[in-house]
Amino acid sequence: DPKIIQKPKYLVAVTGSEKILICEQYLGHNAMYWYRQSAKKPLEFMFSYSYQKLMDNQTASSRFQPQSSKKNHLDLQITALKPDDSATYFCASSQGGASGNTLYFGEGSRLIVV
Amino acid sequence: AQKVTQTQTSISVVEKTTVTMDCVYETRDSSYFLFWYKQTASGEIVFLIRQDSYKKENATVGHYSLNFQKPKSSIGLIITATQIEDSAVYFCAMEPHNAGAKLTFGGGTRLTVRP
Repeated sequence: DPKIIQKPKYLVAVTGSEKILICEQYLGHNAMYWYRQSAKKPLEFMFSYSYQKLMDNQTASSRFQPQSSKKNHLDLQITALKPDDSATYFCASSQGGASGNTLYFGEGSRLIVV
Repeated sequence: AQKVTQTQTSISVVEKTTVTMDCVYETRDSSYFLFWYKQTASGEIVFLIRQDSYKKENATVGHYSLNFQKPKSSIGLIITATQIEDSAVYFCAMEPHNAGAKLTFGGGTRLTVRP
């Protein structure tokens, strides 16, 4: 059974709309992350959270907003969607937020913006 | 800023042979971590092996081993006795010390292991 659950696995959205990507991890980890993988770029770090607090944000646009309602949840809200946002978004977690820890990835949410 | 480059976009080998995948990186940090992950056909991304920059000994896990050449900023992945199920895309990544799991990934190398 997957230990990091992402929902939905696939979604198609209209330009200008808003979507929320859900992520729950059942590994007991304290740190969670979002990464993005698109056809044009390799896996890119977006956000990191540790104990539900934002640690790092490498996303230039404020249209991307992580939300952590529980320790094992880290959702990603994307507003005013653009076709360039089309990508697979991976949630990940690690035992701690320190460097060198192994990242465990979810199966990804593939977003297509038309 | 860090940069990770994997020049081999794809490699095809016969099963049970050894394959080496190249990776070079750029960083100004004196201490960092290097990782290899693989992405299967289903999209799943799985951690394989890690090298700490301050360790001279090459890391080995199962049939994965690393060829770490720090002066060349190079971290090659060696897979011995390849199996069909090793077919996947392999990503090299680096993380500066104290960067908090902010990995910079390379573009990936697609490995095909054929019978």
